[in-house]
Amino acid sequence: DAGVTQSPTHLIKTRGQQVTLRCSPKSGHDTVSWYQQALGQGPQFIFQYYEEEERQRGNFPDRFSGHQFPNYSSELNVNALLLGDSALYLCASSLRQWGGQGWTGELFFGEGSRLTVL
Amino acid sequence: AQSVTQLGSHVSVSEGALVLLRCNYSSSVPPYLFWYVQYPNQGLQLLLKYTTGATLVKGINGFEAEFKKSETSFHLTKPSAHMSDAAEYFCAVSDGGMNTGFQKLVFGTGTRLLVSP
Repeated sequence: DAGVTQSPTHLIKTRGQQVTLRCSPKSGHDTVSWYQQALGQGPQFIFQYYEEEERQRGNFPDRFSGHQFPNYSSELNVNALLLGDSALYLCASSLRQWGGQGWTGELFFGEGSRLTVL
Repeated sequence: AQSVTQLGSHVSVSEGALVLLRCNYSSSVPPYLFWYVQYPNQGLQLLLKYTTGATLVKGINGFEAEFKKSETSFHLTKPSAHMSDAAEYFCAVSDGGMNTGFQKLVFGTGTRLLVSP
């Protein structure tokens, strides 16, 4: 059973360029969340997709956008790249389910896409 | 807003010694709390979680954590460290409790555990 897969694993871009990162969720999962992990920091929540719609969003500018496809895979797009966008971008999938007292569904993380902006 | 503070960016222990990684949280709603481990060049793996009920939570690889509401703490412990435990450990709180569930998490800055022979 394949886990969460992300591509590419590494990429280098220059300021002002645009980047697209891809994520395939774990089999059976329907929800994809994206996190940014800067060097030496904990992951920060970017947004979450469920049923092809953005459901929750963190404190990130509109330069960060995403998409979820009917097969539950997802893309993260970042426009007008800044040096500060250099980070490890983590995709996490889960199965959205109501656990009686909240939305449960453990996050399973991919190994990430390391973006370097020069 | 919810937040997490992890005391100590690095913790060093000898193999066989007690592991204690500290986490304090701030939450305006009943928290869901998590510990994740990250090995080099890998994603995060869930060690354990607290939602409701028993305050002592047991996880994988012999780790456990105790939720102490009065101290707003969720420290991670392991009685005897193993070389394979060397990794980065992150404490996280659900940003919104039951409303946002397990998916929207606020992470601490992490603690790197070093284990010496």
